[in-house]
Amino acid sequence: RKEVEQDPGPFNVPEGATVAFNCTYSNSASQSFFWYRQDCRKEPKLLMSVYSSGNEDGRFTAQLNRASQYISLLIRDSKLSDSATYLCVVRTRSNDYKLSFGAGTTVTVRA
Amino acid sequence: GAVVSQHPSWVICKSGTSVKIECRSLDFQATTMFWYRQFPKQSLMLMATSNEGSKATYEQGVEKDKFLINHASLTLSTLTVTSAHPEDSSFYICSPTAGLGHTDTQYFGPGTRLTVL
Repeated sequence: RKEVEQDPGPFNVPEGATVAFNCTYSNSASQSFFWYRQDCRKEPKLLMSVYSSGNEDGRFTAQLNRASQYISLLIRDSKLSDSATYLCVVRTRSNDYKLSFGAGTTVTVRA
Repeated sequence: GAVVSQHPSWVICKSGTSVKIECRSLDFQATTMFWYRQFPKQSLMLMATSNEGSKATYEQGVEKDKFLINHASLTLSTLTVTSAHPEDSSFYICSPTAGLGHTDTQYFGPGTRLTVL
């Protein structure tokens, strides 16, 4: 079983729409959770960390459900510039704090 | 965020040749360097971890004699793909870090796209 699994999508949404997707992780001892954004042929860039109580950064809201071992990302009022692949990333102390990456969820926002 | 550079950004080489990729952390001292590769539509896979002045630790399935890592200073690490073959064609990304705590943000270099003919 993969450490981090994501729905690859793609999610095709019109501008202004709300889009949400989840990721599941297999190691219950995982401590830190992140969403990274990766544009085509570019490196991943940190979008936001995910905190236990859930957190919001502008139009982006992240939630963590430890009991079910999933995290979610919701994008409100989608912009064309939100088109990217969103990587779910997990860090686990028992894995020497190395990051484990999901394969990404592709979001395409159309005009 | 931290400034990380990688060179070259892309390279095309013939099968059997060696390719060296440089990664520099420009505004902090990287005690640890992670090297990843990413095949199309797949996740980043960790290849190896190196600490400055020490030998790299390779992940299972990654040949240490094929992927030579040097981390001689706190600002520079190199990955050399020796005797490259078409199956080594991938996107190689370095990630230097100054810490390994669970709250430490990890930054990534811009990546090197290797194509082996």
